[in-house]
Amino acid sequence: KNEVEQSPQNLTAQEGEFITINCSYSVGISALHWLQQHPGGGIVSLFMLSSGKKKHGRLIATINIQEKHSSLHITASHPRDSAVYICAVGPSGGGADGLTFGKGTHLIIQP
Amino acid sequence: NAGVMQNPRHLVRRRGQEARLRCSPMKGHSHVYWYRQLPEEGLKFMVYLQKENIIDESGMPKERFSAEFPKEGPSILRIQQVVRGDSAAYFCASSPALQERAFFGQGTRLTVV
Repeated sequence: KNEVEQSPQNLTAQEGEFITINCSYSVGISALHWLQQHPGGGIVSLFMLSSGKKKHGRLIATINIQEKHSSLHITASHPRDSAVYICAVGPSGGGADGLTFGKGTHLIIQP
Repeated sequence: NAGVMQNPRHLVRRRGQEARLRCSPMKGHSHVYWYRQLPEEGLKFMVYLQKENIIDESGMPKERFSAEFPKEGPSILRIQQVVRGDSAAYFCASSPALQERAFFGQGTRLTVV
């Protein structure tokens, strides 16, 4: 069974700061997902990646398969980025079934 | 193109009653996944279904829980004889194919009183 560790667990930063959230996993995977959960509880899928780097607006996700590590970066952070960011990994050969989730990183961006 | 629709958003049941949670996947998506988020815990995979078939139910409790995804209509997660420990947020996600990115619904928050 894959173990997914996220760091930090909690992060408070000032508006405009560059944010990095890390995710490490223990077993080879087919893909890694980054999710965002807002205080209202809904979950938004931000990225699914299996290699390299993806960018969407101010969000950048990278993955290093050899090191079993991924990072989520937020540039020019804004209070509306405040949310829980969750890393999830899928087993080899799989998609969104059998995902193993990290416990999440609680991010607060202060104005 | 509407997103993944879950209803109800909030559901209150007394112990021993049945809870039915519905999930309508995005148009064109035939793969549905259910997850549970217990208070103060992370998300846990429960079950993966395609139309009319359960593909992987390794995360489902063996008793009282069942899921279906009929040819017509939404996917249903059914919990019989609910207990307080079933109180959680239940999320559904869908994807067009197995290894495609999944999109999540807003969740159903079940409270057992």
